Amino acid sequence: AQSVTQLGSHVSVSEGALVLLRCNYSSSVPPYLFWYVQYPNQGLQLLLKYTSAATLVKGINGFEAEFKKSETSFHLTKPSAHMSDAAEYFCAVSDLSGGGADGLTFGKGTHLIIQP
Amino acid sequence: SQTIHQWPATLVQPVGSPLSLECTVEGTSNPNLYWYRQAAGRGLQLLFYSVGIGQISSEVPQNLSASRPQDRQFILSSKKLLLSDSGFYLCAWMTGMNTEAFFGQGTRLTVV
Repeated sequence: AQSVTQLGSHVSVSEGALVLLRCNYSSSVPPYLFWYVQYPNQGLQLLLKYTSAATLVKGINGFEAEFKKSETSFHLTKPSAHMSDAAEYFCAVSDLSGGGADGLTFGKGTHLIIQP
Repeated sequence: SQTIHQWPATLVQPVGSPLSLECTVEGTSNPNLYWYRQAAGRGLQLLFYSVGIGQISSEVPQNLSASRPQDRQFILSSKKLLLSDSGFYLCAWMTGMNTEAFFGQGTRLTVV
């Protein structure tokens, strides 16, 4: 069965600083991996996804993530944080061995705080 | 384009009252549909999923039930709400070919 671990329930960075949100996964088959962002009292919006093509994936709002099979990681980064980046971020994995019918498995989320 | 509608956005219900949350998808056929519950610090918990009309799979034992009366309609229900049913409920859809999930705006349920 697949699982996702997000290191750090809260991450605080200064505006303009590098954002690094960590995600490690466990999957019995080559995974599809995702990062979602959630603003208060809203649904989840897809930031980017890895589907076995390029290991460096670029997403919306200047975010990118790199798939590292040897480290079973899919960390999310952004070179320069903006106040509008303050939100909850979720890493998720889709294990297609079961046909994907049971959806995605999510990490517990990381709350990103941007200090002015 | 595909859209997903979920309502109501917020709901305050007394303990013991019934519940009905509705989710509809437009612009796609035969989607896989999902209900998640989100609690602070615990991420998203999958409650139910459905791969077709009348087909419901439950992931956790609970006070809730789900139904899919039409291809693009997914309903979350309860006969008698408990305080522990409070939370943020999210509906989502996926297709058999796509791999990402698309989410509704969520319903904040407070049981008092």
